[in-house]
Amino acid sequence: GEDVEQSLFLSVREGDSSVINCTYTDSSSTYLYWYKQEPGAGLQLLTYIFSNMDMKQDQRLTVLLNKKDKHLSLRIADTQTGDSAIYFCAEISGGYNKLIFGAGTRLAVHP
Amino acid sequence: EPEVTQTPSHQVTQMGQEVILRCVPISNHLYFYWYRQILGQKVEFLVSFYNNEISEKSEIFDDQFSVERPDGSNFTLKIRSTKLEDSAMYFCASSVAGGPNEQYFGPGTRLTVT
Repeated sequence: GEDVEQSLFLSVREGDSSVINCTYTDSSSTYLYWYKQEPGAGLQLLTYIFSNMDMKQDQRLTVLLNKKDKHLSLRIADTQTGDSAIYFCAEISGGYNKLIFGAGTRLAVHP
Repeated sequence: EPEVTQTPSHQVTQMGQEVILRCVPISNHLYFYWYRQILGQKVEFLVSFYNNEISEKSEIFDDQFSVERPDGSNFTLKIRSTKLEDSAMYFCASSVAGGPNEQYFGPGTRLTVT
């Protein structure tokens, strides 16, 4: 069945780049997403990439997709303390409506 | 900016009791969803709802669960007889259309079953 895996924790220094990785199993995934969750808040969509793209850049965020290896990454440039949150990778496939989430990566940014 | 709201933020109930979790989706959205996250585990899809009926549900969404849109604004999830393993954060989401359209999430309701 569909599955999405992420590492659970990442710690970076303020000003460095963060790279959060994700792997998925469903080769029919059409869209892949990155959601951010801050304490006490819901899941906020950060960015997404369509499966026929390799890369998408949006200000400090860069998404890379390796469809052959089913690997997705999110790079945050110049990481700030306000970026500290849990980041979820998710996929959606075909005409379905359900998102399949990874377990989330907790990003801790320290001075 | 419009947002999805959920009430209550935290619900404590005894095993076997019925609970209703409430959501107000974004007003012009047509698709509605419930997800849950058991502590330390992944966010899991429960059900999607469109045009006053369930469009898709997961194997978790058994006969103990039901959803309803009782009026033009609320979307509810009912758990008929709660079990300890229903303890989780429940997220409501809505989207303007189905498929890959962005799903907007509420802040969640933490359900604790004792």
